[in-house]
Parts: sequence; C-alpha cells; structure tokens
Amino acid sequence: DVKVTQSSRYLVKRTGEKVFLECVQDMDHENMFWYRQDPGLGLRLIYFSYDVKMKEKGDIPEGYSVSREKKERFSLILESASTNQTSMYLCASSLIRGIPTYGYTFGSGTRLTVV
Amino acid sequence: ILNVEQSPQSLHVQEGDSTNFTCSFPSSNFYALHWYRWETAKSPEALFVMTLNGDEKKKGRISATLNTKEGYSYLYIKGSQPEDSATYLCAFPTNAGGTSYGKLTFGQGTILTVHP
Repeated sequence: DVKVTQSSRYLVKRTGEKVFLECVQDMDHENMFWYRQDPGLGLRLIYFSYDVKMKEKGDIPEGYSVSREKKERFSLILESASTNQTSMYLCASSLIRGIPTYGYTFGSGTRLTVV
Repeated sequence: ILNVEQSPQSLHVQEGDSTNFTCSFPSSNFYALHWYRWETAKSPEALFVMTLNGDEKKKGRISATLNTKEGYSYLYIKGSQPEDSATYLCAFPTNAGGTSYGKLTFGQGTILTVHP
C-alpha cells in the first residue's frame, strides 16, 4: 500500500514563527499536494508539485511556500505563522500528471494551532 | 475556481437506514469525478473515481451513480452502520483538458452521523 506520512499529527506554534510541515510518500508518485481543511469550506489547495523542484500555486498560496528537493518529499513552509493559519493541513499524492483517473492518497493530517 | 457543491452539509440517520447525498459539478468538459470518505482521526480514503456518464460503482453497501450531462453524482449507503459515520467528499479535476497536473477541487463535504 502507498503511504503518505506527515511528520506531525498536532503542532502548536507561536505567531511569527517559521513553521515546516513535512510530507513523505513511498511509491514514486509524481504529483504531491498540500491542502488545508476548515469547517464549512472543504479542502482548499495551497500548493502542488508535479515534479522535483517544480511547484505551482493553488487557490490559497498567500503566506505559504513549498519545497520539493526529492521526489518523495514535499514540504509546506509557513514563513511567518499567523492565527488565521490555524487549520488542519493535509498532504496528498497521486500517481501521474494529467486527468486524475486515479484517487489521491492522503496523509493523516497535521492539526496546526497558531497562538 | 470551480463550483463543486455537496448537499446536505450534514445528515443524522439511525442505524439500518439507507441514505444518499449529492455532489453537483460543472457539466461542461467532464473528465472524472472522485468520492472520498474521511473518518475522524484517519486519512481521507478514495471510494470511487467515475469517468463515464451513467457509471455506477459499488463497494460493499456504498454505491455511486454519475450523470455528466446534468452535472451530478449521488452516493448511496444501504443499511447505514455507525462505522459509516464520516465526512464524504466529492472532487472534480481543475483545469482539466488543458495542462492538467491532476489537481482536484473538493466540495465542502457531507458529514454523516449514524446513531446506534
């Protein structure tokens, strides 16, 4: 089974801190994604990557950056954490580029609280 | 941003009831429609990926139908059990047909609670 592993399940950070959320997948998937989930809003795409060192902005990239130095690892960076970034963050991967006729594989999520 | 709408937002049913909910999506340029189940404290899990108009897929007591011409999909659960309690998400490819990189736009989800 493909696994997507997120480094932390729960995280509490202070306003202004730089925060790194790590995601690793073990099945050579090309695409990796970062979403955040907030009540009533569903999953919203922050950034995604379709190849090593490649990144594309999603729908809500402001305040975030990403890094993909190796195919299996996709990091989300909060440059200066703010309270409105308190959320559940989900990493996902998918097999190939193009029309997604395969389902995503998700990590178990990181619940980040910024105080 | 695509509009992918799910209804209802939440649903409470008794054990043994059958239930269904809806996902609406743009009917033009259809390529695929995904359904996921997200149980508390677990990862979202892919249930179905549907690609053809009239498609019906089944997994145990859960089934889904697809109407691409009118832009909706139904998810049915027969004889609901407490372990079916979860958030059910549908998703639709974003910018499909152009330079698509497999991005999905998700609906806001339907939260199902099955009471024993």
